[in-house]
Amino acid sequence: EAQVTQNPRYLITVTGKKLTVTCSQNMNHEYMSWYRQDPGLGLRQIYYSMNVEVTDKGDVPEGYKVSRKEKRNFPLILESPSPNQTSLYFCASSPSGRAPYNEQFFGPGTRLTVL
Amino acid sequence: GQSLEQPSEVTAVEGAIVQINCTYQTSGFYGLSWYQQHDGGAPTFLSYNALDGLEETGRFSSFLSRSDSYGYLLLQELQMKDSASYFCAVRDSGNTPLVFGKGTRLSVIA
Repeated sequence: EAQVTQNPRYLITVTGKKLTVTCSQNMNHEYMSWYRQDPGLGLRQIYYSMNVEVTDKGDVPEGYKVSRKEKRNFPLILESPSPNQTSLYFCASSPSGRAPYNEQFFGPGTRLTVL
Repeated sequence: GQSLEQPSEVTAVEGAIVQINCTYQTSGFYGLSWYQQHDGGAPTFLSYNALDGLEETGRFSSFLSRSDSYGYLLLQELQMKDSASYFCAVRDSGNTPLVFGKGTRLSVIA
């Protein structure tokens, strides 16, 4: 089944404890992206990757890191999480990051709480 | 940069028609997309308009007017399961990522 998977789905952690949220897609998509979703703020892009070894900052990259060493995986790293990073996180992929590829496939989401 | 405006909430009656508007400001324009998200779920792609006019897919239609920087999503024969958030999204160049609006929460009532 073609899909985007994220792990973990739920995580409660404490301030400063490094964590990684994994994202994997099995559709051979070039483009992958991370979003955070907060009430009333919609989907805000954190980082995106147009292809392997190519990553760029989105609108809210502070406090996050990413890497794209292989096509299928795009992990999101929080080196020192803070309470303002408590949010719902979505990973998404698409065959390409360029027009006209506007259909993105989203993972199920990771709900992160930082205490 | 880009900015998008859509109403935060809309309520409509089961069986009726509802229109969710989206106005955008972009330096360029490479199409308007719509996504649906149910509570607790992930966004899913609904439609894409690159040219002016109406695109119909079953009960859902999407309209675009590039001269007015405006589009809308039209949902007909509303069902309770249509209660969800709806996001419009644009990109302002062929090489930049999609930017999403803040979403419109649609509540369908009996």
